[in-house]
Amino acid sequence: DAGVIQSPRHEVTEMGQEVTLRCKPISGHNSLFWYRQTMMRGLELLIYFNNNVPIDDSGMPEDRFSAKMPNASFSTLKIQPSEPRDSAVYFCASSLAGQATEAFFGQGTRLTVV
Amino acid sequence: DAKTTQPPSMDCAEGRAANLPCNHSTISGNEYVYWYRQIHSQGPQYIIHGLKNNETNEMASLIITEDRKSSTLILPHATLRDTAVYYCIVRGNYGGSQGNLIFGKGTKLSVKP
Repeated sequence: DAGVIQSPRHEVTEMGQEVTLRCKPISGHNSLFWYRQTMMRGLELLIYFNNNVPIDDSGMPEDRFSAKMPNASFSTLKIQPSEPRDSAVYFCASSLAGQATEAFFGQGTRLTVV
Repeated sequence: DAKTTQPPSMDCAEGRAANLPCNHSTISGNEYVYWYRQIHSQGPQYIIHGLKNNETNEMASLIITEDRKSSTLILPHATLRDTAVYYCIVRGNYGGSQGNLIFGKGTKLSVKP
């Protein structure tokens, strides 16, 4: 398996534009996590899906952020409209459901909003 | 908020054992201790996890105290490539959520020649 695949790897956009980040989890995994990492705030959990259903979205910063998982092999994180403070590295991770399973992370998408 | 406390940084000489401590004094009986690391600009990488017993794999050993309020990750022979931020995470079954992974600030380990 190629692991968790995120696209794009880098994204530069202008303030006010819509940004869509994509994630393909490892085949067979049924839990998916989206994280945001900045120097100031570290690695923050944004949202967590189990069997394509959002279980905990308490980390989503505001209504400008939305995440979907239409099927077991694809998830998106959308920011509309984007703001400079959204600049960060966004990571996606997947795992089998359950508390004794390891999560595998993608390489991240570095988002810069100018 | 993260349920663990780790020193912000540690140094280790190359070839020596690196012992990274973690306090999790409020851990519940069904919560696991996980360790991840993040090498600069990469995604976090799973290292090891345990519940009560000590665990060992090809990367590291995990020593959990009998009262489970603290643990130590041991890298037996640290190399320069082990320089990274190491995260200790307590993971449980939060209602129906089946286990969020909440990262704290971690310990920045610097392995020096």
